[in-house]
Amino acid sequence: GIQVEQSPPDLILQEGANSTLRCNFSDSVNNLQWFHQNPWGQLINLFYIPSGTKQNGRLSATTVATERYSLLYISSSQTTDSGVYFCAVGGGWGKLQFGAGTQVVVTP
Amino acid sequence: EPEVTQTPSHQVTQMGQEVILRCVPISNHLYFYWYRQILGQKVEFLVSFYNNEISEKSEIFDDQFSVERPDGSNFTLKIRSTKLEDSAMYFCASSPSGTADTIYFGEGSWLTVV
Repeated sequence: GIQVEQSPPDLILQEGANSTLRCNFSDSVNNLQWFHQNPWGQLINLFYIPSGTKQNGRLSATTVATERYSLLYISSSQTTDSGVYFCAVGGGWGKLQFGAGTQVVVTP
Repeated sequence: EPEVTQTPSHQVTQMGQEVILRCVPISNHLYFYWYRQILGQKVEFLVSFYNNEISEKSEIFDDQFSVERPDGSNFTLKIRSTKLEDSAMYFCASSPSGTADTIYFGEGSWLTVV
């Protein structure tokens, strides 16, 4: 199956800082999604981005499909950004392979 | 925005008991899924369902598990005889199509087997 590696595994940020999370995957994909898992365990869709660049407020994401990686940018981080960020990729039929996640802690 | 809804949000059950987790996918979606996440671990695919049959399942989805779409709106996951290692968060998800499309996840059902 497709291998998904996320880095860094942990990230501590001061409020207001910017950061970049990375997702590498081992094969071509037709689905790539970024999720934020909040402290209550809910998986929040951030982006569907199998290629290209998207922005939503302080978050943006870029996927370079030919080089098999995706980046999630968090700008001007806030304490509510804390949680685990997952990258998930799929080659078809809705079966997503999740990475191990990046645990983000934003301190006031 | 339409949501995938799941019930119950949390269930505690005794080992060996049967559990049914329920989900209402987004209404115009055709593909339905169950995933699970053991505490502290990554989210894992269990099964995908389309046109009233399983389209793909993982090694985790053994004979103890079954899925059903009993009516036009609900999608259920049944665990016949729960084990301690079935304790996890179970996520239902749906998508409009099975290929290049956003998959929307529900809020999850925590299952604790004691």
